Amino acid sequence: EVQLVESGGGLALPGRSLTLSCEASGFTFEDYAMHWIRQSPGKGLEWVSGINWNSGRVGYVDSVKGRFTISRDNAKRSLHLQMNSLRAEDTAVYYCVKAALSREAAGQLVNWFDRWGQGSLVTVSS
Amino acid sequence: SYEVTQPPAVSVSPGQTVRIDCSGDALENQYASWYQQKPGQAPILLIYKDSEGPSGIPERFSGSSSGTIATLTISGVQPEDEADYYCHSPDTGGFSGVFGGGTRLTVL
Repeated sequence: EVQLVESGGGLALPGRSLTLSCEASGFTFEDYAMHWIRQSPGKGLEWVSGINWNSGRVGYVDSVKGRFTISRDNAKRSLHLQMNSLRAEDTAVYYCVKAALSREAAGQLVNWFDRWGQGSLVTVSS
Repeated sequence: SYEVTQPPAVSVSPGQTVRIDCSGDALENQYASWYQQKPGQAPILLIYKDSEGPSGIPERFSGSSSGTIATLTISGVQPEDEADYYCHSPDTGGFSGVFGGGTRLTVL
């Protein structure tokens, strides 16, 4: 069974940093792109960032470019999101999400997503 | 920047059919996927590659696409289908993902 467990969320002051992590199990982690998708309170889903299977391709939504960095450790089956210069508008539940297509079939960084973690709440407030 | 548009809300009586449209220029050459989210839960994948359904998804959920419009159809709506539904499309090159704003389905 695929499991994605996020950690590292919490309260952060504006301008400070926070790192989210996701531990994956139940599938061959190194074969799949991984993504972070967030949801602000009472709002819709927003794709934040993605990384392909070997970290050779990464992407970010415009609003976090230059502030957030996605990374992965295939040996530890883990995904990370380093969030710097946090803003109030970054307040959201952050989901760790598995890409549906394996590296051979993917062809591009983003296709669709077949498994989601339960999410980690990040609150940016003074 | 690329945008995907869907209606904010629809309502339907049990047993009826509802269709939710999703509009985005990249849908001309990218696949739409659909996600269902119930309160307090993570989203789940309902439809991928415009019209494919993952195992375990009831057959009353179906999808289609034509040009820049993708459509989610729920036939014979059940009370438990009351949820938020999100359309997703990669941008033209597949470098980023974009969700529609979500459609809240109310079962009357």
